[in-house]
Amino acid sequence: DIQMTQSPSTLSASVGDRVTITCRASQSITSWLAWYQQKPGNAPNLLIYKASTLESGVPSRFSGSGSGTEFTLTISSLQPDDFATYYCQQYNIYPFTFGPGTKVDIK
Amino acid sequence: QVQLQESGPGLVKPSETLSLTCTVSGGSMNNYYWSWIRQPPGKGLEWIGCIYYSGFTNYNPSLKSRVTISVDTSKNQFSLKVNSVTAADTAVYYCARGGHYDSRAYFDRWGQGTLVTVSS
Repeated sequence: DIQMTQSPSTLSASVGDRVTITCRASQSITSWLAWYQQKPGNAPNLLIYKASTLESGVPSRFSGSGSGTEFTLTISSLQPDDFATYYCQQYNIYPFTFGPGTKVDIK
Repeated sequence: QVQLQESGPGLVKPSETLSLTCTVSGGSMNNYYWSWIRQPPGKGLEWIGCIYYSGFTNYNPSLKSRVTISVDTSKNQFSLKVNSVTAADTAVYYCARGGHYDSRAYFDRWGQGTLVTVSS
């Protein structure tokens, strides 16, 4: 299986901050990576797929980059609605695997 | 707008079979892959397996011996069965829509999730 790691596990930030989350794969997944946002009690919500393509309806302050084994999710200016947990997911090879999550909370 | 809704018992006894159904509304199941994903309380996400509308399946090896996913496109439903459950199978179970023609799948539509507790 491809192992996914994320850093940091928790991130404390303020409204307006630029936030970057890193996701690493144990082997190359080219660009087959997605990012999700999950709020307590809700299902995950797709933000980005194919490493950098913004899902329709997702605010442009979210962006993704990377290829191979290292990827980043950036929130350019953190908004109150963005405090949540973020997961990366590889879909290059079965079984699809998720990172352990990064919780973004209020500083 | 495609919507997914999980249904099934919220409590299952140890060693018995967990059975859930996902009903797809607002769109066709054709040409898509459909997945089950679970999340133990307070933990991360685990992909269980998927099924193509035609019936082709792929399972996570960690669960493969205990899992069956089936589809009934006439009812716009797909289902999950997990045999011989233990407390470790307690989780919120999500159904989700995956790839369009492509087995490489990110998940763009999710059900709201249903909590299944394994307990006597």
